[in-house]
Amino acid sequence: GENVEQHPSTLSVQEGDSAVIKCTYSDSASNYFPWYKQELGKRPQLIIDIRSNVGEKKDQRIAVTLNKTAKHFSLHITETQPEDSAVYFCAAFSVMDTGRRALTFGSGTRLQVQP
Amino acid sequence: GAVVSQHPSRVICKSGTSVKIECRSLDFQATTMFWYRQFPKKSLMLMATSNEGSKATYEQGVEKDKFLINHASLTLSTLTVTSAHPEDSSFYICSARGAQGSYNSPLHFGNGTRLTVT
Repeated sequence: GENVEQHPSTLSVQEGDSAVIKCTYSDSASNYFPWYKQELGKRPQLIIDIRSNVGEKKDQRIAVTLNKTAKHFSLHITETQPEDSAVYFCAAFSVMDTGRRALTFGSGTRLQVQP
Repeated sequence: GAVVSQHPSRVICKSGTSVKIECRSLDFQATTMFWYRQFPKKSLMLMATSNEGSKATYEQGVEKDKFLINHASLTLSTLTVTSAHPEDSSFYICSARGAQGSYNSPLHFGNGTRLTVT
């Protein structure tokens, strides 16, 4: 099955700085990579996603890059704001051990933006 | 946008009792729903995939007799934690993909259910 690794586990930046979170995946057949933001006790919220036919996607202050050859993808947040503080999860949509396709999540990155 | 409603948001039950959690797609038909479990400060772990009208597919290590999943309609899936024990205490989140959605389309998550077994 798929293995998704995410780094770093915690990240503290000053307001206005950039934040980068990186993930690697193991299943070369994975073709959909969403990023979720989760605040304490809340549901994961999709913030951006990328499909394997694209190398980069940007939405205002958020961008995601994908390197299929190296099997890694990254989330970039520019001009960070205190409200960006949350836990961010990367995920890869791939075939599970059961043969079903589902999202496998990374372990999460706790981002703290210091005002 | 697509909305997934999950109920209850919090439940406290005594050890040995059963708890049912409902997951509804409010404005779309969900042919597939996924049930995840999340421990404090941990990632989301897939428990099972349920397809409308068929048996759920459980991931390795998940007891199907303990976590009963029913997906009786295109808008409702339920997870029943049977004979709950304190170690079942966790945050359970459902997610759904629409009938028109391909396997690489966004998933929509419910608000989650925090289960505490005393």
